[in-house]
Amino acid sequence: DAMVIQNPRYQVTQFGKPVTLSCSQTLNHNVMYWYQQKSSQAPKLLFHYYDKDFNNEADTPDNFQSRRPNTSFCFLDIRSPGLGDAAMYLCATSTPRTAAYEQYFGPGTRLTVT
Amino acid sequence: AQSVSQHNHHVILSEAASLELGCNYSYGGTVNLFWYVQYPGQHLQLLLKYFSGDPLVKGIKGFEAEFIKSKFSFNLRKPSVQWSDTAEYFCAVNLFNDYKLSFGAGTTVTVRA
Repeated sequence: DAMVIQNPRYQVTQFGKPVTLSCSQTLNHNVMYWYQQKSSQAPKLLFHYYDKDFNNEADTPDNFQSRRPNTSFCFLDIRSPGLGDAAMYLCATSTPRTAAYEQYFGPGTRLTVT
Repeated sequence: AQSVSQHNHHVILSEAASLELGCNYSYGGTVNLFWYVQYPGQHLQLLLKYFSGDPLVKGIKGFEAEFIKSKFSFNLRKPSVQWSDTAEYFCAVNLFNDYKLSFGAGTTVTVRA
């Protein structure tokens, strides 16, 4: 089945130690998104790629970076995680081939910062 | 500023009760509207969407939603809930041809057996 895959599902990192989260998709969608979701809150968009074009949200901290080496993969790099970065990180995809750009979400990676 | 408002933060129901969750948005243009559900420990899934046509849309698991343009609303309904409907429900909106979603704060629905 076509899907959005995130690895790892759970990640523990130390304060200040760089961490990379990965997302892959078999949907061949143009757009890939990274969201941060804290407990009982709405997902907060960090940035997205439309094909190779990177789009950063204005309030995304510089600590967060992303790479998309090809259509299928997208990475979220947190250069120096702080305690406040502990959250669920969601990857999503969409395509203009659907009528409404609905987004398809992966299962998320839960990041713990110790 | 554009926003999406969900009226209820937490709803508690008994099985077989009817459910209605409110959603209002403040966008002025043509919009696409979505309801997503997040079951405990699972990923966000699309319940239903509206982008054109019949304003009453039916989704998975017996859910439906009605788009009322004059009220800027897209309320979610289910006539008879089950324990398995316990989840977090998010309303989301994007502008026509815009691929960025704005989410509401979410409503936690707890269904008691």
